[in-house]
Amino acid sequence: AQKITQTQPGMFVQEKEAVTLDCTYDTSDPSYGLFWYKQPSSGEMIFLIYQGSYDQQNATEGRYSLNFQKARKSANLVISASQLGDSAMYFCAMREAERDDKIIFGKGTRLHILP
Amino acid sequence: SQTIHQWPATLVQPVGSPLSLECTVEGTSNPNLYWYRQAAGRGLQLLFYSVGIGQISSEVPQNLSASRPQDRQFILSSKKLLLSDSGFYLCAWSVGGSGANVLTFGAGSRLTVL
Repeated sequence: AQKITQTQPGMFVQEKEAVTLDCTYDTSDPSYGLFWYKQPSSGEMIFLIYQGSYDQQNATEGRYSLNFQKARKSANLVISASQLGDSAMYFCAMREAERDDKIIFGKGTRLHILP
Repeated sequence: SQTIHQWPATLVQPVGSPLSLECTVEGTSNPNLYWYRQAAGRGLQLLFYSVGIGQISSEVPQNLSASRPQDRQFILSSKKLLLSDSGFYLCAWSVGGSGANVLTFGAGSRLTVL
């Protein structure tokens, strides 16, 4: 059964606006980690941000922040002040402690930043 | 520092031919190793992962197999390719045992089956 859901196949956003990419997950494990990756057209996978299930604060990395709502099982990526270079595919991923070595991905959201 | 190498970068193969994609990691020992497949415009599907030499977990059996003959080497194989095997194959590694350890990916292998 699919455990990571990204409901936005594609998004178009004006440059300099903030962007929220949605991710919901399903797990019964109390200990898990959530990741976001960026995939430009070159195909490389770039790690953006990590959130642990026991982390008290939302993770932030520069212009990236993770809006973690544990009760809703939601881990949305927020990109502030979007740039043309942010145009890419974005993937949400999860690692469960009881299956610590298995990491699964959502289907991704293709983000287009408009000039 | 750790590096991951994956080859070949591109491959065009006829249906029914065999496949071998290789991945090696440098600068670390006993990594967790992963093979993912990405169909055109789609998400990453976990195919195999390995936590040690000879230990392979399969998520999508189909006609693909994986082997880990050495600690830092991971090989994806097929005896007879299908059209549906076309896609972008990504090898990745991580340190095991902790949820915060991220996946680091290779540059990928683009396979076209004709």
